[in-house]
Amino acid sequence: GAGVSQSPRYKVAKRGQDVALRCDPISGHVSLFWYQQALGQGPEFLTYFQNEAQLDKSGLPSDRFFAERPEGSVSTLKIQRTQQEDSAVYLCASSARGGGIYEQYFGPGTRLTVT
Amino acid sequence: SQQGEEDPQALSIQEGENATMNCSYKTSINNLQWYRQNSGRGLVHLILIRSNEREKHSGRLRVTLDTSKKSSSLLITASRAADTASYFCAGFEGYSGGGADGLTFGKGTHLIIQP
Repeated sequence: GAGVSQSPRYKVAKRGQDVALRCDPISGHVSLFWYQQALGQGPEFLTYFQNEAQLDKSGLPSDRFFAERPEGSVSTLKIQRTQQEDSAVYLCASSARGGGIYEQYFGPGTRLTVT
Repeated sequence: SQQGEEDPQALSIQEGENATMNCSYKTSINNLQWYRQNSGRGLVHLILIRSNEREKHSGRLRVTLDTSKKSSSLLITASRAADTASYFCAGFEGYSGGGADGLTFGKGTHLIIQP
């Protein structure tokens, strides 16, 4: 079956622009996670959804970052007024059951470059 | 913040040899997972070991966990060129540790298998 998909795969934004990154999780997966991965580093947790409920947003770096999953499937990560330090790969992952206890399936990521 | 510290940061071995990577983590965990990342397949789950387990095997992979030392190791036996990738340990603090609902990754070990 289809894995986790993300779009766009690459995004170049000028500083100050807003961007929206989309994640399509594996069908039926309850949990959805967003991570940010800087070059040469491991992924860092941003936020977690269980179905449509955002249960943890402790990793969002600022109030410019906003995520939603209104119908419990597709999710969008929005970054307002992008800054150069937002340049990174944004990874989405889904899991069949709730929480981080179980293995996560990652999408290919969206590489965001802010110029 | 990064939970785990992988050691070594980079490792280059000959095809057929065994590769061992170590991970140390900071806080109590519910489980520890290992992931592989390469440009072709993105971030892929390899194995999960729970905090009450000491050793686990999956094919050519062997993982150990020592909760008293807050450390884990990943052994890949009979390495192949296709094993060339970055390997990350990721801890889930979750319910017991009161941490975030997502995984906390280390910085990774970059493994190169020489043909």
